[in-house]
Amino acid sequence: GQNIDQPTEMTATEGAIVQINCTYQTSGFNGLFWYQQHAGEAPTFLSYNVLDGLEEKGRFSSFLSRSKGYSYLLLKELQMKDSASYLCAVRTNNNDMRFGAGTRLTVKP
Amino acid sequence: EPEVTQTPSHQVTQMGQEVILRCVPISNHLYFYWYRQILGQKVEFLVSFYNNEISEKSEIFDDQFSVERPDGSNFTLKIRSTKLEDSAMYFCASGSGANTEAFFGQGTRLTVV
Repeated sequence: GQNIDQPTEMTATEGAIVQINCTYQTSGFNGLFWYQQHAGEAPTFLSYNVLDGLEEKGRFSSFLSRSKGYSYLLLKELQMKDSASYLCAVRTNNNDMRFGAGTRLTVKP
Repeated sequence: EPEVTQTPSHQVTQMGQEVILRCVPISNHLYFYWYRQILGQKVEFLVSFYNNEISEKSEIFDDQFSVERPDGSNFTLKIRSTKLEDSAMYFCASGSGANTEAFFGQGTRLTVV
C-alpha cells in the first residue's frame, strides 16, 4: 500500500516560520512534491525533491531524507495569504503521484 | 502562461447517466493524469496516461471509468452509470516528463443527483 502522512492542521502567526512534515511509505520512489491548495481551487506546484537535502525557493524550502522516508516544507515570513492546505505527494515507480491528505495551515495576525 | 483547461466547470447529472469530462493539457506535455477530490477529502489519483495508453491506474479506476485522447489536444474522462458517491471535483493534470511536476487544471465539479 501507499502511506503518506501529514498533520491535519497547523496554526502559525504572521511573520513567523512554520515547518510541515510528511512521512511516506510507498511501493517505489521517484520524487516528492509539495503543492499548495486554496479552498475550492486546484493544487499549485511549490517544490520538488528527488535527492536528499534542502531545496530553497524564495520563502519556501523543502527537505528530503529518502532513507527516513521523510520530508518537510518550511515556510518563512508567513503571510496571511499563505493560509491554505499543503499537500505532500510522492511519485512512485509506476508514474503515478499519490497525495497525502494535506495539512490545513491557518496564519493568524 | 500555458495552462491546463477543463470543461465544463460544473456538471450536474442524474444518477445512472454517463458524463464526459474534458481537458486540454499543456500543448507540449506528454503525461496526463486524472485526479478526484471529494469535498473535504484528499486528492485521489485515478489514472495516468502516456503514449496513448494508460500507464497506471488506482483501485478507484474500475470499469465504470475510461479515458481517451481522441485527438492531439483533448484528454477525456468518461464515467458511466454515475452514482451519488461519484460527486466530487475532478482534476486533470499534465506534465512534460515522467519525473517532473504536474500542472493542474481548475477542475470540473461533478454533482450526481
